[in-house]
Amino acid sequence: AQSVTQLDSHVSVSEGTPVLLRCNYSSSYSPSLFWYVQHPNKGLQLLLKYTSAATLVKGINGFEAEFKKSETSFHLTKPSAHMSDAAEYFCVVYGGATNKLIFGTGTLLAVQP
Amino acid sequence: DAGVTQSPTHLIKTRGQQVTLRCSPKSGHDTVSWYQQALGQGPQFIFQYYEEEERQRGNFPDRFSGHQFPNYSSELNVNALLLGDSALYLCASSLRTGWTDTQYFGPGTRLTVL
Repeated sequence: AQSVTQLDSHVSVSEGTPVLLRCNYSSSYSPSLFWYVQHPNKGLQLLLKYTSAATLVKGINGFEAEFKKSETSFHLTKPSAHMSDAAEYFCVVYGGATNKLIFGTGTLLAVQP
Repeated sequence: DAGVTQSPTHLIKTRGQQVTLRCSPKSGHDTVSWYQQALGQGPQFIFQYYEEEERQRGNFPDRFSGHQFPNYSSELNVNALLLGDSALYLCASSLRTGWTDTQYFGPGTRLTVL
C-alpha cells in the first residue's frame, strides 16, 4: 500500500530565505507524487506532480521538488520565501488502481517578515 | 475556463438531519472524487464517480452516498448526520486517462453539525 509521511508539522522561515518541506513516501511500485497547497479557508491547489519522467520537477510560484528513489523522498523546496507562501502544504501519493489520492498530514508553513 | 465549483459554501445542520452537497467539474473532466477534511487533518477519500457509477470507495459508512449526472456534475449525500461529520468537503475532478489522473479541487463546502 502507498503512503506518505510529512516529517514536519510546522516550518517557520523568514521572508527571502529558502524553504524546505520534507516528505517521504512508501510504495510497492514507482509512485506518482504530488504537492498541493491550501491557503486558509480555501481549496487545494496543485503545485507540482511527479510521474516518473524527470526526477526534478518544477511547479508553480517558484517551487520545485526532487524525487529520490534511494531515499524514498520527495522534498519540496523554494529558493526564496514570500509572505504569500504562508499556507498548509500536503504531500500526496496517487493510489494506483484505486484512483484515489492519499494525503500526508500536512506541513504548516509560516513566513516571518 | 471555469474550474471546479461547489455549492453551498457553508452549511449548518443539526444531528440526525440529511445534507446534499453539489459539485460541477472542470470543463472537459469526466471523473469526480469526494474528500472529507476534518479540522487540522489531511483530506480523506470518500468515493469516486465515473460514467455515473461509484467506482471506488474509501472507509466511510453507507450514510455517505453520491450520484453523478450525465453532465458529469455530482452530489454527495450524508444521512443521519453526526457531530463528527463536521468538516470541509472537497470535490475534485479529473479526466480519466488510464494513467495518473491529475485531480483539481474545488473550494470546498464547510459543513457544521450542531
